[in-house]
Amino acid sequence: NAGVTQTPKFQVLKTGQSMTLQCAQDMNHNSMYWYRQDPGMGLRLIYYSASEGTTDKGEVPNGYNVSRLNKREFSLRLESAAPSQTSVYFCASSEGAFKGNEQFFGPGTRLTVL
Amino acid sequence: QKEVEQDPGPLSVPEGAIVSLNCTYSNSAFQYFMWYRQYSRKGPELLMYTYSSGNKEDGRFTAQVDKSSKYISLFIRDSQPSDSATYLCAMWAQKLVFGQGTRLTINP
Repeated sequence: NAGVTQTPKFQVLKTGQSMTLQCAQDMNHNSMYWYRQDPGMGLRLIYYSASEGTTDKGEVPNGYNVSRLNKREFSLRLESAAPSQTSVYFCASSEGAFKGNEQFFGPGTRLTVL
Repeated sequence: QKEVEQDPGPLSVPEGAIVSLNCTYSNSAFQYFMWYRQYSRKGPELLMYTYSSGNKEDGRFTAQVDKSSKYISLFIRDSQPSDSATYLCAMWAQKLVFGQGTRLTINP
C-alpha cells in the first residue's frame, strides 16, 4: 500500500497563477484533510471532507477550494496564488472524522509563490 | 492565546539522555491526546495516542496526560540519533489541533 500520495512534490508559482494539488489514499478511509505548515505556526487545517460528497472549512480556508472527487481523491485548488500561500501543504486521511481517529499524512507539497 | 502551546525549541541533547517534551492547552474539552513525529521533509506520523489522563508506555517512549493541569508530556528514554525529528503534540475535541512542534536533535 502506498498510503497517502501527493503531487506535485514541489511547485513555484507567480502571483495570480492557479494550480491544483492532488491527493490520493489507498486505505479506504472515509475522511480526508488538507493542512498547511508554516514555521512557528504548526499544522493548520484548511479544509476537510468527513465523508465522500461532503467538504467543510477548517481554520484557514480563504483563498482555497477543494473537491472530493471520489472516496480516494481529495484535491486542493489555489485560484489566484498569493505570496502568503507559500507553505508546505500536507494531505491526510483517517477512517472517520470523529473520536480522534489517527490521521495518516502524505509526504507534502512545497509551494513557493513569487 | 493559542489553544495548544508547545515550545518550538530547538532542543539539543547528547545520545542516551532522557528527553522531556511538553504541551499545555486551554480547552478542557480535549479528550484524545497524540504525539506525532516528523522527520525532515516528511509528513508527520503518529507516535503515541492516549485517551484522558494517565500514562502510556511504548518501548522507550512514555506519554503522560494531566488533565487537571492541562499539560501533556512525551518522555524519550535512552535517546538515539534516529530520534532527531520535530515532535508535534495534537489534541482532539470535534477537531484535531496541533502544537507548533519541537525540533529535537540527539547528538552522537
